[in-house]
Formats: sequence, structure tokens, C-alpha cells
Amino acid sequence: SQKIEQNSEALNIQEGKTATLTCNYTNYSPAYLQWYRQDPGRGPVFLLLIRENEKEKRKERLKVTFDTTLKQSLFHITASQPADSATYLCALEGKGGSYIPTFGRGTSLIVHP
Amino acid sequence: NAGVMQNPRHLVRRRGQEARLRCSPMKGHSHVYWYRQLPEEGLKFMVYLQKENIIDESGMPKERFSAEFPKEGPSILRIQQVVRGDSAAYFCASSPSRVSSNQPQHFGDGTRLSIL
Repeated sequence: SQKIEQNSEALNIQEGKTATLTCNYTNYSPAYLQWYRQDPGRGPVFLLLIRENEKEKRKERLKVTFDTTLKQSLFHITASQPADSATYLCALEGKGGSYIPTFGRGTSLIVHP
Repeated sequence: NAGVMQNPRHLVRRRGQEARLRCSPMKGHSHVYWYRQLPEEGLKFMVYLQKENIIDESGMPKERFSAEFPKEGPSILRIQQVVRGDSAAYFCASSPSRVSSNQPQHFGDGTRLSIL
């Protein structure tokens, strides 16, 4: 069956360090993969999208990589700040199937000052 | 531009009552998606609507749940005869056309439904 796996344990890091979050998937052939941020009591906010033919995408302090061989995406936040503390969700859509993105459960990031 | 607006933000119902959740998409968006999120779980797709049409309802329970997106007015997710298991956060998202690699979804802040 299709699965999207994100680390359920919270990631705790010190301010200024690089946070790296992982999204693994099985039995998908995604056309693209998205990352969202969700704060408590709020809806997800779109951050970055990376297509299957792209290896890396950057936006300010954010970087996403997409390895279709490993079936994995890594999401990096450089020079992390306490304001980056949130839950980060990955979502992907399979080619030729439903075009509705399927979301992982998300990983909580806590940046300590 | 106003974002996706959902109301009410919080809704309390007793078992057996009806819950009506409303979603006004972003201006210019004619595609609406409803998701349910339980604590410690991911967003689960329920239904996808385009003005006056249900495009995909594969994630919506067959009984007690219905959704509409009329020509005028917000999209409505309706839950009849609510049970405790319906307690969750319900999110609505919208996009200007069918969601794709060029059209990510824009989410509202959800309705928290609590069943007593």
C-alpha cells in the first residue's frame, strides 16, 4: 500500500543550526512533492514544491531535495530561529492517479533559543 | 486579498445533532477541497468540489456526510447525526484550477468540531 512517512518524534535543535526533516514514501511515483508548515490552531501554509525532475529547490533559508531513487525528500532550514518552530508536512501526488495530494503526519520542529 | 475563510472556528454539538461547516475560497478560486485532521494524524482528504459539482468524494464517509459548493455562496460540509468520532479539525483548501504542480492549495484555519 502507499505510505508517506515522516518522523513522528519532535526534532529539537538549537537556534542557528540547520534543521533537516525527512519525508519517505513507498509505492508512489510522484509527479511532485510539496512541503507545508502548520502552526498550532492554524491551517497548513504552502512553502515549497519540487517536481520529479528537479533535484533541489531553494527559497531563502529553505532547501528541499528530492531523490526519486531513494524515494525520499529532505527539507532543510538553515540558520534556524525559534519562529521556525512548527509542524512541517510533506504531501505528494502520484502520476496518473488521483491528483489530490496525500499528506504525511508531519514532524514537529522545536528551535530552542 | 482575503485568504480562505472558514466558519465557525469552533463548533460544539451534542450527539445526534447536525453540524454545518462553511468555507469561502480565495477570490478567483473555484476549486475547493475538504480535509479532516485528528490529533497526531495527518490531513485526510474527504471531498473535492468545483462550483456546483462534486469531482471526487472518495474520502468522505458514505453515510451522514455531504458537501456542496453552490453557484453562489460558500462551500458547506454537512454532518448529520454527529457522533463522538466526528470530533476533529476540518480544513478547507482552495485553488484557482485543478490542483497540480503549478497550483498548490491554500488552506483556511479550520473548524474545530467537538461532540459532547
